[in-house]
Amino acid sequence: GQQVMQIPQYQHVQEGEDFTTYCNSSTTLSNIQWYKQRPGGHPVFLIQLVKSGEVKKQKRLTFQFGEAKKNSSLHITATQTTDVGTYFCAGPAGANSKLTFGKGITLSVRP
Amino acid sequence: SAVISQKPSRDICQRGTSLTIQCQVDSQVTMMFWYRQQPGQSLTLIATANQGSEATYESGFVIDKFPISRPNLTFSTLTVSNMSPEDSSIYLCSVRQGGNEQFFGPGTRLTVL
Repeated sequence: GQQVMQIPQYQHVQEGEDFTTYCNSSTTLSNIQWYKQRPGGHPVFLIQLVKSGEVKKQKRLTFQFGEAKKNSSLHITATQTTDVGTYFCAGPAGANSKLTFGKGITLSVRP
Repeated sequence: SAVISQKPSRDICQRGTSLTIQCQVDSQVTMMFWYRQQPGQSLTLIATANQGSEATYESGFVIDKFPISRPNLTFSTLTVSNMSPEDSSIYLCSVRQGGNEQFFGPGTRLTVL
């Protein structure tokens, strides 16, 4: 079945540094979504990308969908302590477009 | 986005007992899902809750262990039956309103002793 992969699972950065993480799918995706889960919280929808090569920005966060629609990236400019959490990518698979979630990357930011 | 509440928010249960988790949404939604998230892990889909019919379970999850009800478009329950310590996890209700994005409830943190 479809797999959505995120490597590594953890990353530590100094506040103010930039951060980039990637998500790779074993199959072509109709769309890809990103979610953020703060420590002790629940996943919160951030963005959806649909078109090949699409780029979307939310303040300091930039999301990109690959040309082949099999990978995606999340870039955070000048990380802040508020960026701490786990970022999941997810892609639809199977009947009813059920979402398959990656393992997530947990970001910690040193003040 | 939909506002989702779950009850209970947490519980500690004895082995062999059952717990029913409720999920209430403030508006009608097209699809409702139940996920499990073990500490530090990703989200695993248990089943899709279908309104007025039996839930659709994912591989590795069965109705006898995780019976689900969805009597209407705003409410669903998940029961964790005959619990064992391996069932200790966070259980999350999630909904889709018509688009592809999903919204999650606050979760139910279950500990089985």
